[in-house]
Amino acid sequence: AQRVTQPEKLLSVFKGAPVELKCNYSYSGSPELFWYVQYSRQRLQLLLRHISRESIKGFTADLNKGETSFHLKKPFAQEEDSAMYYCALTPGSSNTGKLIFGQGTTLQVKP
Amino acid sequence: ETGVTQSPTHLIKTRGQQVTLRCSSQSGHNTVSWYQQALGQGPQFIFQYYREEENGRGNFPPRFSGLQFPNYSSELNVNALELDDSALYLCASRTDRVSDTQYFGPGTRLTVL
Repeated sequence: AQRVTQPEKLLSVFKGAPVELKCNYSYSGSPELFWYVQYSRQRLQLLLRHISRESIKGFTADLNKGETSFHLKKPFAQEEDSAMYYCALTPGSSNTGKLIFGQGTTLQVKP
Repeated sequence: ETGVTQSPTHLIKTRGQQVTLRCSSQSGHNTVSWYQQALGQGPQFIFQYYREEENGRGNFPPRFSGLQFPNYSSELNVNALELDDSALYLCASRTDRVSDTQYFGPGTRLTVL
């Protein structure tokens, strides 16, 4: 079964602390993995995707196929990082817009 | 902000009624997907339309149907509304390039009483 699991509903850290948002997936094949973010009163938007291997707003995520994980990390959290974060996957081999989302993790960065 | 818009913003219906939600994609985006997001959950894929044909569907019953038009607009229709249909409905559009990403609209909040 295709599934994305984000075990934490809420992650609360202080400004300047490291952040790790966990994401585990279940999929037989080679999916493409994404992190989406939703800031307060804004629409859902792409933060990063694993094939790009880039750092966006200081966030990085490494795909670990052995552990089927795609954790999102940032070494020093900022207050403006407070938002809802969703991990998602799509079948990597097909041109489809079907995204399978996790339940989301609220990141709260305290001053 | 992207050019994906949705209407209406909010909608209240009663059980058994029918509803039509609308989405306007960016020019050139020939692929549109619809998602249902229940409170406290991540979005769930309903279906995708590509060049006015459905080409992918999630685990939703046939009373959820859609249309896509040549002018980059699309509709989500839900018949025989049930209380559990209360949710935020999102549309997302993209081009057909495999490397392209999806751009989400702001959503329509549907409440079924």
